[in-house]
Amino acid sequence: AQRVTQPEKLLSVFKGAPVELKCNYSYSGSPELFWYVQYSRQRLQLLLRHISRESIKGFTADLNKGETSFHLKKPFAQEEDSAMYYCALSGSSNTGKLIFGQGTTLQVKP
Amino acid sequence: NAGVTQTPKFQVLKTGQSMTLQCAQDMNHEYMSWYRQDPGMGLRLIHYSVGAGITDQGEVPNGYNVSRSTTEDFPLRLLSAAPSQTSVYFCASHEWRGSTGELFFGEGSRLTVL
Repeated sequence: AQRVTQPEKLLSVFKGAPVELKCNYSYSGSPELFWYVQYSRQRLQLLLRHISRESIKGFTADLNKGETSFHLKKPFAQEEDSAMYYCALSGSSNTGKLIFGQGTTLQVKP
Repeated sequence: NAGVTQTPKFQVLKTGQSMTLQCAQDMNHEYMSWYRQDPGMGLRLIHYSVGAGITDQGEVPNGYNVSRSTTEDFPLRLLSAAPSQTSVYFCASHEWRGSTGELFFGEGSRLTVL
């Protein structure tokens, strides 16, 4: 079964500290993984996708198929990074469905 | 370009009442979906559609109906509301075929069932 697990409901760090939001997935084929972000009073939006291997707003995420993980990292957290972060998996191009994790609230303290 | 538009933004219902959450997109996207967002549960897929006239169930479809008569609209119907359906509902769309996987979300509809 397809599943995405984000073990931390809340991650609280100080400004300038490194951040790692964990994401583990369960899927038997070749998944596509994404990180979505929801800032306060804004729509949920795509942050980055593994296939692009890009860095957005200083965030990066590497797909580790051996550990079935797609952790989101940033070396120096900023207060504006405070938001809800969702990891998502697309396992079947025939349906277009995205399966989301439970979400992690990132709180960056000044 | 409005993107994905959901109405209403807020709604309070009594148990047993029915209502429809409206969703419209102006990007000519084939794929549309409805999610509910609950604390600690994340986003769970209710129903989705890969084109006009085609719908399918997601992870939590019970108590909800959908239809897709046009590419633009994908309403979600609650036939007999229950307190367990108190949630924030999000509609989303993307191109599907040739898609990069980016979902475009509406602003959400907060539903309370008393």
